Parts: sequence; C-alpha cells; structure tokens
Amino acid sequence: KAGVTQTPRYLIKTRGQQVTLSCSPISGHRSVSWYQQTPGQGLQFLFEYFSETQRNKGNFPGRFSGRQFSNSRSEMNVSTLELGDSALYLCASSLATGPANTGELFFGEGSRLTVL
Amino acid sequence: AQSVTQPDIHITVSEGASLELRCNYSYGATPYLFWYVQSPGQGLQLLLKYFSGDTLVQGIKGFEAEFKRSQSSFNLRKPSVHWSDAAEYFCAVAFNQAGTALIFGKGTTLSVSS
Repeated sequence: KAGVTQTPRYLIKTRGQQVTLSCSPISGHRSVSWYQQTPGQGLQFLFEYFSETQRNKGNFPGRFSGRQFSNSRSEMNVSTLELGDSALYLCASSLATGPANTGELFFGEGSRLTVL
Repeated sequence: AQSVTQPDIHITVSEGASLELRCNYSYGATPYLFWYVQSPGQGLQLLLKYFSGDTLVQGIKGFEAEFKRSQSSFNLRKPSVHWSDAAEYFCAVAFNQAGTALIFGKGTTLSVSS
C-alpha cells in the first residue's frame, strides 16, 4: 500500500512569491491535515480537510490556504511568501472515521520550502 | 488553551539503559494523546496512543506510556534502549474528536551512547 506522497520534496522561492504544495493520501483515507515544522516553533497544525471541507484550522494568517479534491488529494498554498515561511511542510492522512479508524495519522516525508 | 510541554530538549542514554521521556499536557476534556518518533530524513511515525481505557499503553518497538490524569502527564518509557532508537520524539494531544488535529510538544532529541 503506497504511503503519503508529497510533492515537490524541495523548493526554493523568493519573498513575495507564492507556492503550492501537493499531498496524495493513502488510498481510502479521507482526512488530510497539514503541519509546519520549524526549528524554533516545532510542529504546528495548519488545517485539516475531510471530504473536501476544511474541518479544523490552526492559528496561521490567511496567506496560508488549502483545498481538497474529490479524490482526497490536497494542496496547500502560501501567498506572498516571507522569510519566516521557510520550513518543512508535512502532510498527514487518516481514515478519520468508521470502524477501521485507528486514530493514527500517517505522515509524508514533507516538502522543504526555502524562502530567500 | 491546549498545550503540550516536553521539558527535556535533549537526552543522552547509554545503550541498554532504561529511558523515560516526559510529557505534560493542558487540555480541558478527556485527552487523546500520542507519541510520535521522527528519524533523520524521515516522516513521523506513531509509537503509541491513548484514547481511553487502560492507562498503560503499549506501542511499537518496545515502547510504553502511562497516562496519569492527576498529573496531566503521558510519559514514554522503554526498559532497554537500542542505538537505533536515537531520534526525535514528539508528544501530542488531539483537539478534535477524530484525533486528526494535533498539538505537538517541541520534541525531545534522544542520543544513544555506546
């Protein structure tokens, strides 16, 4: 069974640009959540999507947005990039519902964004 | 507000020695608690979780954790550490019922000496 796939794995942008990151969840998983990991702030929850609807949102500015498609694939977008947005962005998928749900998040390897 | 505190930033343990990583949480309702491990260059992997029931939970790789409501703690333990256990360990609490939106602690880096 394929794991969570995130693309691109590495990218470099300059301040003011925007970026789109993609996440393909494990087949059958309907929940996709996004986290930002930085050395200073650690792992911080961005948002979660379930069945194409944003179900939970973390405390990030509106420059951070996301969406989920009917096949459960998800994208997150960061507009007007700032230096502080440099981070590892992790995506996680979960069944999130039903008797087979174990409550486990399955994480991808992340997309490492560098903003210059 | 919900929060998770891991008081130890870095711990070094001798191979074969026992390990305890501390985790304290702040959460109003019954918490869903997790321990994840992140090895260099790899994604996060679930070690164990507590949703309800027995307060001593067993996980993968020989890890266990004990939920103590009175102390708001969920400490991770392993009786004998192996060199391959060197990694960063994260404690987390879910703030939604599905357990999919997590607040993480800042992590504890474990080094294993021979």
